[in-house]
Amino acid sequence: GAVVSQHPSRVICKSGTSVKIECRSLDFQATTMFWYRQFPKKSLMLMATSNEGSKATYEQGVEKDKFLINHASLTLSTLTVTSAHPEDSSFYICSASAQGTEYGYTFGSGTRLTVV
Amino acid sequence: DQQVKQNSPSLSVQEGRISILNCDYTNSMFDYFLWYKKYPAEGPTFLISISSIKDKNEDGRFTVFLNKSAKHLSLHIVPSQPGDSAVYFCAARLLYNFNKFYFGSGTKLNVKP
Repeated sequence: GAVVSQHPSRVICKSGTSVKIECRSLDFQATTMFWYRQFPKKSLMLMATSNEGSKATYEQGVEKDKFLINHASLTLSTLTVTSAHPEDSSFYICSASAQGTEYGYTFGSGTRLTVV
Repeated sequence: DQQVKQNSPSLSVQEGRISILNCDYTNSMFDYFLWYKKYPAEGPTFLISISSIKDKNEDGRFTVFLNKSAKHLSLHIVPSQPGDSAVYFCAARLLYNFNKFYFGSGTKLNVKP
């Protein structure tokens, strides 16, 4: 089946630094990947849609200069949280859609970001 | 504006009994619905789905029911097992944007041995 690998699973960084999270589709090509954020006891919130070879599409209220998305290949999308602040601490999840699947899309295992 | 709602944040059932998780939606343009299961510190995994042209889909112990007139869907797990304890998200997809899914806030199911 379709597998999405997300790395790192957990990261702690200092305020003001940047953190990069990788999302890879392991056995399929994904022209589109999605980045979600989950707040405690809240739903998954779509942050942006990452399109291979073009600019990402951000949801309303998401700062594109703070959350940089790069989708340079059909199997890799990265999310960089720039100048991180404690309020950016959250659980970030990526997902990708395998063509022809009825399963919606496959999620990565998530990244727990803690900004201290 | 939450278009997909799961009004019960938690549910506790005894092993062997039926678990019923509910989900309501507001947008009549949703054409596809999915249930995901999520363990702590992991990404959600697909469980079962249903198209808007159906009212029931069954897969082993899991059955999803869709009531379009009421804009309501439910997930039935029977018999419930302790390993089913997790957070369950329902999600809906728009007819004209199949790449975008709207998620409910999740229901934490606890199946007691």
